[in-house]
Amino acid sequence: DAGVIQSPRHEVTEMGQEVTLRCKPISGHNSLFWYRQTMMRGLELLIYFNNNVPIDDSGMPEDRFSAKMPNASFSTLKIQPSEPRDSAVYFCASSPPGSTDTQYFGPGTRLTVL
Amino acid sequence: AQSVTQPDIHITVSEGASLELRCNYSYGATPYLFWYVQSPGQGLQLLLKYFSGDTLVQGIKGFEAEFKRSQSSFNLRKPSVHWSDAAEYFCAVVTGGGNKLTFGTGTQLKVEL
Repeated sequence: DAGVIQSPRHEVTEMGQEVTLRCKPISGHNSLFWYRQTMMRGLELLIYFNNNVPIDDSGMPEDRFSAKMPNASFSTLKIQPSEPRDSAVYFCASSPPGSTDTQYFGPGTRLTVL
Repeated sequence: AQSVTQPDIHITVSEGASLELRCNYSYGATPYLFWYVQSPGQGLQLLLKYFSGDTLVQGIKGFEAEFKRSQSSFNLRKPSVHWSDAAEYFCAVVTGGGNKLTFGTGTQLKVEL
């Protein structure tokens, strides 16, 4: 079975550009999580969805960040405009119904903003 | 608020030696605790989890962890480490009513051949 799929795996962009990260959760999973990992702050939960609905976005750093989940098999995390301090590895994770605590992680997208 | 602390940033062990990675939690009731492993360039993989019941939990790849309420600890152990175990290990606790994981800062494990 395919795990969580993220694209792109690496993204290099210039400050001010829009960046869109994509995630396909495991089929049948109904919760989806976006995390950011940096050396300074470790792993931080940005937002999570349940049944395509955003439940908690308190971790989203600021208005430049937005996330959508238009259907059960796709989610995006957008940064507009991007800044160098957004450089990090962004992980998507999904979990099956009734088990939001057991999360399956994708390989991550390494974002570098110059 | 619930949190976990991993006091060791780096640990080096020889291949074949035993391993113990420390994790301390801060929570009044019985927490839901997890250990994840992250290999270089990879996402996190769940090793094991503790919700209730038997305090010794078996996981994948030969790992186990023991929940000790008296010490507020959930340490990860492996009797004999393999070179392929070199990775970063994260302890985590469920917060936010069961819908959010809060991770520790991680312990980087190096295995000497």
